[in-house]
Amino acid sequence: EAAVTQSPRNKVAVTGGKVTLSCNQTNNHNNMYWYRQDTGHGLRLIHYSYGAGSTEKGDIPDGYKASRPSQENFSLILELATPSQTSVYFCASGDGTGGGTEVFFGKGTRLTVV
Amino acid sequence: SQWGEENLQALSIQEGEDVTMNCSYKTYTTVVQWYRQKSGKGPALIILIRSNEREKRSGRLRATLDTSSQSSSLSITGTLATDTAVYFCAIRTGGYKVVFGSGTRLLVSP
Repeated sequence: EAAVTQSPRNKVAVTGGKVTLSCNQTNNHNNMYWYRQDTGHGLRLIHYSYGAGSTEKGDIPDGYKASRPSQENFSLILELATPSQTSVYFCASGDGTGGGTEVFFGKGTRLTVV
Repeated sequence: SQWGEENLQALSIQEGEDVTMNCSYKTYTTVVQWYRQKSGKGPALIILIRSNEREKRSGRLRATLDTSSQSSSLSITGTLATDTAVYFCAIRTGGYKVVFGSGTRLLVSP
């Protein structure tokens, strides 16, 4: 079964501070994703990646950067955290086989910006 | 936006009832996926339907896909309290970009 591990699981950050959310997957999937989940908005795509060294903007990239230094790792970076970025963040991975691109999710990171 | 009318809604039913959730999208896709998210967990795929399959069944789940109207539905028959969750449809739009609808929050009471 696909394993996607996120760290930290909970984070409290100060407004204006830098936050890095980390994600590791052990299934050699090419594609990785960062979503945020807020009540009333479902899951919204922030950034995604096709492989090491690549990052692509999703639907809500403003205020976020992403980094894919290796096949296994994909980070989401908030350079200047704001209270509006308080949310639950999910990392996911998928290999795109079968045309369906099933994605496997981590358990989520709850970020509170105060 | 890749989505039609807002899909987010909350449904509350009794155990044993059948339920259908809908999803409409604007972007061309050949596959619609349905995910279930239980409280405190990440979403997980429960059924996938391709454009050459008008209907797909898996246990108590039934998915339909109408590419002409760009809509999909997920039905659950004989619901159980353990079906309580948020249900999302997801599509792939361009390359491997995968986007999710707003979801349907389903509460099944014993």
